[in-house]
Amino acid sequence: AQKVTQAQTEISVVEKEDVTLDCVYETRDTTYYLFWYKQPPSGELVFLIRRNSFDEQNEISGRYSWNFQKSTSSFNFTITASQVVDSAVYFCALRRNNAGNMLTFGGGTRLMVKP
Amino acid sequence: NAGVTQTPKFQVLKTGQSMTLQCAQDMNHEYMSWYRQDPGMGLRLIHYSVGAGITDQGEVPNGYNVSRSTTEDFPLRLLSAAPSQTSVYFCASSPTGGPPYEQYFGPGTRLTVT
Repeated sequence: AQKVTQAQTEISVVEKEDVTLDCVYETRDTTYYLFWYKQPPSGELVFLIRRNSFDEQNEISGRYSWNFQKSTSSFNFTITASQVVDSAVYFCALRRNNAGNMLTFGGGTRLMVKP
Repeated sequence: NAGVTQTPKFQVLKTGQSMTLQCAQDMNHEYMSWYRQDPGMGLRLIHYSVGAGITDQGEVPNGYNVSRSTTEDFPLRLLSAAPSQTSVYFCASSPTGGPPYEQYFGPGTRLTVT
């Protein structure tokens, strides 16, 4: 069975602080894919990143960076110099190989960035 | 391209009523799925389809029916609504072939069952 755990249900920071959102996953598969989605207050789901299990390189996109560590089954997401517009719920998700579009989501982390 | 569209955006039902949530995509994606979002539980898969005429159950299928007669449409039917089905429903689609692509989500339908 697959499982994704986002232990932080809510995080509150002040603008310009750095913040890391944790994601820990469980799977018996050797090939799998990890995703992060953002859900702003407007409610839509916005794709942020996809990572496959064979690519452990960290990725940086502007103020966003992701740290994938297979040894600890973690795929953490860091926002540097947070902004009020980063306030949202962030979801980590796991997809098995050859599993169509079946995603297993974590419970989400609500990030509040205060001015 | 409109992407993934869902109607209605909001719906209030009484216990026992039936209704269909509509989902359509214009990207010629073969994979389509329905998720429900409940507080603290993320999104959970209800039903999915890998192509026209093919559907299967996800994690929480009870109380819901689906069919896929065309590539574009994937409606979700609630046969007899219950308060436990109060949730936000998202439809998603993704292409097949090549790398696993991200899913494209619709804007969601907020359903309240009283």
